[in-house]
Amino acid sequence: GQSLEQPSEVTAVEGAIVQINCTYQTSGFYGLSWYQQHDGGAPTFLSYNALDGLEETGRFSSFLSRSDSYGYLLLQELQMKDSASYFCAAGRGNTPLVFGKGTRLSVIA
Amino acid sequence: IAGITQAPTSQILAAGRRMTLRCTQDMRHNAMYWYRQDLGLGLRLIHYSNTAGTTGKGEVPDGYSVSRANTDDFPLTLASAVPSQTSVYFCASSVEGTSNEQFFGPGTRLTVL
Repeated sequence: GQSLEQPSEVTAVEGAIVQINCTYQTSGFYGLSWYQQHDGGAPTFLSYNALDGLEETGRFSSFLSRSDSYGYLLLQELQMKDSASYFCAAGRGNTPLVFGKGTRLSVIA
Repeated sequence: IAGITQAPTSQILAAGRRMTLRCTQDMRHNAMYWYRQDLGLGLRLIHYSNTAGTTGKGEVPDGYSVSRANTDDFPLTLASAVPSQTSVYFCASSVEGTSNEQFFGPGTRLTVL
């Protein structure tokens, strides 16, 4: 089967760093994506890792370890506007992405 | 229009009624998807289409049907709505079926009574 596991909720302080983990069991895996969704909004694409290592995009970074079937999203210099749900998604050959159930991040002052 | 649109924005529907959710994209993407999102369950794929004229079943296809007559449109039909189909429905598209970046529409909030 296909499954991705991520924490349901994370709380962090404004200005701090937070890491959201994702482990996966997916046949035909070829990459891990991350999406952000604010309350009432639509998911939007953040990043993608096809190879092991860290990808950085501004305050956000994403990491993948294929040997450990594990990845994470790192958010630095947290801002209140980063409060949202974050989804990891696994790419699998010629079939659609499989999404995790999402991690709700609350940024507090 | 630019991007992907959905209609209606929200709908209240009596159980047993037929309903079609509309989705249109103007990005000439080959692949399109329908998801439902329920609290605590994330995004679950209902149906998808990798190219016009083809469709496939996702994780939760029962009670839903789709068609892909052309590149731009991907309607989702509930033949006989049931209360368990109360959800937020998102349409999405991507350049190809293997693409990692999907573009999502604003969603349709459907309530079945």
